[in-house]
Amino acid sequence: SQTIHQWPATLVQPVGSPLSLECTVEGTSNPNLYWYRQAAGRGLQLLFYSVGIGQISSEVPQNLSASRPQDRQFILSSKKLLLSDSGFYLCAWSALGTGTQYFGPGTRLTVL
Amino acid sequence: KNEVEQSPQNLTAQEGEFITINCSYSVGISALHWLQQHPGGGIVSLFMLSSGKKKHGRLIATINIQEKHSSLHITASHPRDSAVYICAVGRSQGNLIFGKGTKLSVKP
Repeated sequence: SQTIHQWPATLVQPVGSPLSLECTVEGTSNPNLYWYRQAAGRGLQLLFYSVGIGQISSEVPQNLSASRPQDRQFILSSKKLLLSDSGFYLCAWSALGTGTQYFGPGTRLTVL
Repeated sequence: KNEVEQSPQNLTAQEGEFITINCSYSVGISALHWLQQHPGGGIVSLFMLSSGKKKHGRLIATINIQEKHSSLHITASHPRDSAVYICAVGRSQGNLIFGKGTKLSVKP
């Protein structure tokens, strides 16, 4: 069966520090991968999605970036965090050609 | 105006009540999703539908493509149904656009 992992589960970082969040999927190949953010009091927002290794599409311009170094690994990064980067970050995957997305457990990021 | 609108924003019900959450959208979609987010933040996909009606246990989801409207119904609600229910529309590229969610609280 397929599983999706995210880590860390929670993170507290100072403003200006770097960020690296990792997401991995097991039990499937060639998944579409997604990074979403849910800011306090707001709905989920798509940040990045990827249809293959090295292929990243950005939905919202910001100081975050994403990379997909391996088929089932998706990384969200920042060189310098802002206060506004605080939120709940969710990774999700879907099988090629299908629409159902499966979400990871999320990372709660607090930038102080 | 948001591309996906949900109502109500908050809903409190007594155990056993029939619950309806509504979702309207203004963009072209490939499918509509209903998601459930638990207090800890975890999200579970409940339904994906592009026409008609789907049922899973006490949950029923309907969609009217012409009216660009979907409803999620919960029959015989239970306190364990308390969660945030999120409507999301799927675009042709595969990404989702989300509503802001409906926070449901079912009292015993």
